Amino acid sequence: GNSVTQMEGPVTLSEEAFLTINCTYTATGYPSLFWYVQYPGEGLQLLLKATKADDKGSNKGFEATYRKETTSFHLEKGSVQVSDSAVYFCALRNAGGTSYGKLTFGQGTILTVHP
Amino acid sequence: NAGVTQTPKFRVLKTGQSMTLLCAQDMNHEYMYWYRQDPGMGLRLIHYSVGEGTTAKGEVPDGYNVSRLKKQNFLLGLESAAPSQTSVYFCASSPRVQETQYFGPGTRLLVL
Repeated sequence: GNSVTQMEGPVTLSEEAFLTINCTYTATGYPSLFWYVQYPGEGLQLLLKATKADDKGSNKGFEATYRKETTSFHLEKGSVQVSDSAVYFCALRNAGGTSYGKLTFGQGTILTVHP
Repeated sequence: NAGVTQTPKFRVLKTGQSMTLLCAQDMNHEYMYWYRQDPGMGLRLIHYSVGEGTTAKGEVPDGYNVSRLKKQNFLLGLESAAPSQTSVYFCASSPRVQETQYFGPGTRLLVL
């Protein structure tokens, strides 16, 4: 079956530091890959996505590249801000068939950014 | 345009009590989903619906029932709550199966 593994957290950084959150996956076929962000007290919001190998998703200074050879989709940001403090979820979705759009999530990584 | 809303935001139940969580979306989406979020486990799919009048089981359906009588509403029921159902419940909707899912703010449920 499908699975998503994220790096263990929590991650604590100082403002303007470089961020990497690792995500690897196991899936059949060619899944779409996502990063969702959950700010305190809120629901999940789509941060970025990639639908095929070598695609790069980007949004709000965050980037992630779909690496099929390493089955990875690591999230990066060059300079984090206090407002980036949140929980980040990596997820995948299989294409077509009987997947009914089901998302498979990683366990989430808590990011705290200090001034 | 409110997006996806959930009612209530927080609830405390005693073991054996029943309750219904309401999810409403005003985006005319066909697909709706109920997930539960537990520490260290990400989100897991409980039930889903591919259209008005249809529902199906996800990966952790035991102890829950759902109904989709109207396209905009997706109800999640707990007939006899158990402490293992203490969790945060998220509803999501999407226009089509391969489109982005939009999430509600969540309902925090504590079962004593």
